[in-house]
Amino acid sequence: EPEVTQTPSHQVTQMGQEVILRCVPISNHLYFYWYRQILGQKVEFLVSFYNNEISEKSEIFDDQFSVERPDGSNFTLKIRSTKLEDSAMYFCASSEQQTRISNYGYTFGSGTRLTVV
Amino acid sequence: AQSVTQLGSHVSVSEGALVLLRCNYSSSVPPYLFWYVQYPNQGLQLLLKYTTGATLVKGINGFEAEFKKSETSFHLTKPSAHMSDAAEYFCAVANNAGNMLTFGGGTRLMVKP
Repeated sequence: EPEVTQTPSHQVTQMGQEVILRCVPISNHLYFYWYRQILGQKVEFLVSFYNNEISEKSEIFDDQFSVERPDGSNFTLKIRSTKLEDSAMYFCASSEQQTRISNYGYTFGSGTRLTVV
Repeated sequence: AQSVTQLGSHVSVSEGALVLLRCNYSSSVPPYLFWYVQYPNQGLQLLLKYTTGATLVKGINGFEAEFKKSETSFHLTKPSAHMSDAAEYFCAVANNAGNMLTFGGGTRLMVKP
């Protein structure tokens, strides 16, 4: 069964450093997403991406965050200058179509646990 | 705007007992609703979804959920719990454009032998 692959599974970074989280979506999917889950809290939407541009973003996704699809297979989330409160599990997801018309919903990756110290 | 409330952050049942995980939603548009399961150290796996049509939706692993518009609910049930069902379960609703999911706080299901 096709999978969304995220690397690394764990990352520790110092406050103020830049970090890039990587995702390989399912190959025929066209829509890409990032979500995060702070320990003990809800899964929160960050951003959705389609046709090489952001289609929706949340209030969390401020200027410190950016996304990119640098080639035909990778989808990355960059946090420019990490803060302690960025510590969370970050999930990448992809879908063939947008959820309201999709028969399959999203496929989520296993997540990257980011710890900012 | 959408929101999801899951009553009970922890639910404990005995093996073989009925599983009932509660989800209530608020949506300004006809809702598209989802249940996801998260096993330890894994991603979110789609259990089932409601879009339109039949209000009783069957999913994987013997789970089902019923959409009740009058109660704004989408509770998840399974007639007989198995040890392997122990996991965290998330209810979610899609926005009108379909490019964002709003999740509930999750319910951790524990199954006792």
